[in-house]
Amino acid sequence: DSGVTQTPKHLITATGQRVTLRCSPRSGDLSVYWYQQSLDQGLQFLIQYYNGEERAKGNILERFSAQQFPDLHSELNLSSLELGDSALYFCASSVGYNEQFFGPGTRLTVL
Amino acid sequence: AQSVTQPDIHITVSEGASLELRCNYSYGATPYLFWYVQSPGQGLQLLLKYFSGDTLVQGIKGFEAEFKRSQSSFNLRKPSVHWSDAAEYFCAVGNSGGSNYKLTFGKGTLLTVNP
Repeated sequence: DSGVTQTPKHLITATGQRVTLRCSPRSGDLSVYWYQQSLDQGLQFLIQYYNGEERAKGNILERFSAQQFPDLHSELNLSSLELGDSALYFCASSVGYNEQFFGPGTRLTVL
Repeated sequence: AQSVTQPDIHITVSEGASLELRCNYSYGATPYLFWYVQSPGQGLQLLLKYFSGDTLVQGIKGFEAEFKRSQSSFNLRKPSVHWSDAAEYFCAVGNSGGSNYKLTFGKGTLLTVNP
C-alpha cells in the first residue's frame, strides 16, 4: 500500500459525459501528479500540482482539467468523453523531487 | 526532450534464472532514474531509484540497477528470478532541475516466468 488513495476504482460511462476522479496523496506530500495509461500511448504525464498550484502540464487535453484543494487532495475532471479516453488514470504524490508513489488507479471505460 | 527506451517488449525466463531488463534514456543533464513494477490490475510500485552517487543501486525484492552514463543506460538486474516477479516493468526518467518533476516512462517490458 503506497498510501495514495484513488476513487472510484472503476468507472463506466457514455460518450459525451463528464466524470471526476479523486486522489488523496500520502500524508505530508505536497505534490500530486496525474498520469494516463493506455495500450497505445503507454504511461503519459498529464499534470502536476504543488501545494494547490499548477506546476507543470504534459499531454493533457483541453477537455481535461484538474485542481488541488487546500487539504491537498486532487480531482481530475474529464469532460465530453470520447471512446479514446478509456484508460487507467493514476495519481501519484511526492515530497519535492523525491520518488513518486502511485495510487491503485481508476479504470475508466467510455462506451 | 527527455525520453526512455525499453528495447524488449516481452521477456521470458525460467524460475531461478538471472534477469536483465534494458533501459536507455535521453536527458540533457544527470537524470533521476527509476524502475517501477506493475502487477496485473495493480498500481506502480517503486523498485529502486538513482539520484546521484554510487552507480550501482539496490532496490526491493532483490533487484539492482546500474547507471552507466557513457551508455545512457540504467539496466535492471536480478540474480535469480522467482515466479512472483512476473509483471510489467517500467523504467522512468525524472527532471533533476527546476520545479517540474514529471516522470517520463518507457513503454514497459513484460516479464513472464516459466516454472
